[in-house]
Amino acid sequence: GAGVSQSPRYKVTKRGQDVTLRCDPISSHATLYWYQQALGQGPEFLTYFNYEAQPDKSGLPSDRFSAERPEGSISTLTIQRTEQRDSAMYRCASSLASGAGTGELFFGEGSRLTVL
Amino acid sequence: DAKTTQPPSMDCAEGRAANLPCNHSTISGNEYVYWYRQIHSQGPQYIIHGLKNNETNEMASLIITEDRKSSTLILPHATLRDTAVYYCIVNSGGSNYKLTFGKGTLLTVNP
Repeated sequence: GAGVSQSPRYKVTKRGQDVTLRCDPISSHATLYWYQQALGQGPEFLTYFNYEAQPDKSGLPSDRFSAERPEGSISTLTIQRTEQRDSAMYRCASSLASGAGTGELFFGEGSRLTVL
Repeated sequence: DAKTTQPPSMDCAEGRAANLPCNHSTISGNEYVYWYRQIHSQGPQYIIHGLKNNETNEMASLIITEDRKSSTLILPHATLRDTAVYYCIVNSGGSNYKLTFGKGTLLTVNP
């Protein structure tokens, strides 16, 4: 697609429910990233994919968080048994490839999650 | 990746140059300096990056000191739409997926 597309844009859920967020990256981009952004803070890295491989999950805050990119294009981020502290903007970004000086990440508009 | 230090906020008059400083005194030889900005609630937007030479594109100029311990992002003619949080990020590129955004500088362009 023309840009990085995320859905839903807004999600309100009750504590304890599972949520799945979706990211459709720019079609030519090999690398896809998930970031979490709390209000008033900069985005924080969660995980990334190079095609379907997921080399780094170190930013995922707990084992309730998981991400997939089974066919190397669309990715989902799932949060199980949501807690109020999971409330944040979840941002997806993509880039042509990871590696030295490859430049820019293209970010989507984000999915705002509110856990009541 | 090296840590960066930026002022929390700056003001600039519309039409004037905005000079945003960043200190990265622990930068290593293979680390690039990236600048991104985030306008209100939009996703971060790439501006420019560089290794040791000064860089210029249609959005901004990046001036990196000779010792690479600091840099300045220059918006030559700031407009109201340039009001945003500006993030200076140092990254080795080999792991550029892990951009550490920090808190950035809130630039407010005033009419």
